[in-house]
This record gives sequence, structure tokens and C-alpha cells, in this order.
Amino acid sequence: EPEVTQTPSHQVTQMGQEVILRCVPISNHLYFYWYRQILGQKVEFLVSFYNNEISEKSEIFDDQFSVERPDGSNFTLKIRSTKLEDSAMYFCASSEVAEWGKLFFGSGTQLSVL
Amino acid sequence: AQTVTQSQPEMSVQEAETVTLSCTYDTSESDYYLFWYKQPPSRQMILVIRQEAYKQQNATENRFSVNFQKAAKSFSLKISDSQLGDAAMYFCAYKQGGSEKLVFGKGTKLTVNP
Repeated sequence: EPEVTQTPSHQVTQMGQEVILRCVPISNHLYFYWYRQILGQKVEFLVSFYNNEISEKSEIFDDQFSVERPDGSNFTLKIRSTKLEDSAMYFCASSEVAEWGKLFFGSGTQLSVL
Repeated sequence: AQTVTQSQPEMSVQEAETVTLSCTYDTSESDYYLFWYKQPPSRQMILVIRQEAYKQQNATENRFSVNFQKAAKSFSLKISDSQLGDAAMYFCAYKQGGSEKLVFGKGTKLTVNP
């Protein structure tokens, strides 16, 4: 069964450094998402992406964050200058049709900012 | 803003028994969808069941069914004939019609005892 893959599974970085989290969505899906979960808290929506542009974003997704689909298969989340509070599990997801809400999630990247 | 509340941080059930996980939500919208996602230890969230708010009939998927009480804004998940593989975190989620964002509850950790 096709699945969303995320790399790396765990990334450690120093505060102020840039990080790029990578995701390969399911190949025939058109909608792509990033969510995050800070330890002990709810899973939170960051951004959705369709037709090579951001379609919706949350207040969390400020100028420090950006997303890109550089080559038609990868979907990346970049954090320009990481803060301690960016430490979280980051989940990528994709879906065929946005309205259905049926998202396929990856296993996540645990980002630790030191 | 819409909120989703899961009041049971942890639940346990004996194998082959039935368990009900609770979820309430708050919204002033009439067009929305509700979901239960399962996150096993492998960490990939999987959609269990989906309910459109305009449908009065409760959704069912094999051993999983929901009790959707629209007036009470309640959306509980019933798992019948529980199996060891049902052990996971279960997240209730809400999606407003026209939005791509899922709003999650904090989750309920389900343990299945042999």
C-alpha cells in the first residue's frame, strides 16, 4: 500500500540553524500538509499546499517557515532560524481530495532544537 | 475558533470486549466533518472513520462505529470485539467545510489487555 515517507526520523539542530524536513507524499495525491505535535500537546495544523502554492496556513506558520515542492515528488518544510520552541514531532500528510479530510500521514520527524 | 476535547487521556479494554472513546467539539458552523484517527506505536496516523455533519446516520467501518449527537456536539467512537492491534492513541478531529485544516483533540491512549 502506498505511504507517505518522511526523512530523517530524528533531527537535532542548534538554535538559530536552518533545518529542512523532507517528505515524499503519495504519488497521485494533490494536497500536501504539515502538522506538528509538541510533546504533551495537541497535533496542530501548520500549512496546506496545493497546485504549487500555499492554500491555507495557521498563525504558527510565520515568516520563519516555508514549504516547497522542488521536484514534483518531494515536499519540504524549512525552518529558517530554529528556536527552542520549534522542538516537536513534525508530520507530513497528503490527500487526494481536500474536502474529504482523509489524510495519509507519514511517521514524523522528531526535531530537537538545542 | 473550533475546539475538540477528548476527556479520557487513557482507556483500557479487555480483548473481545467493547470500548467507547469520547469526544466533544465546539463550533458554530453547520458544514463540517468529524474524524477518528488512530496512531499506533509506529506513529503513522491512520483514518479510522469519518462522519459528515449533514448525515444523520452514524458512520460504521467494520468493528468501528460512531455515535454522532449533533445537538450535543458529541462524537464518540465505539470499538467492538477489541483486538490487541487496536491498541493505539486515538485522535478525534474536526474539519470545517471549505477549510483544509484538521483540528485535533489531545488524544486517548487505548490499551487492550489479553
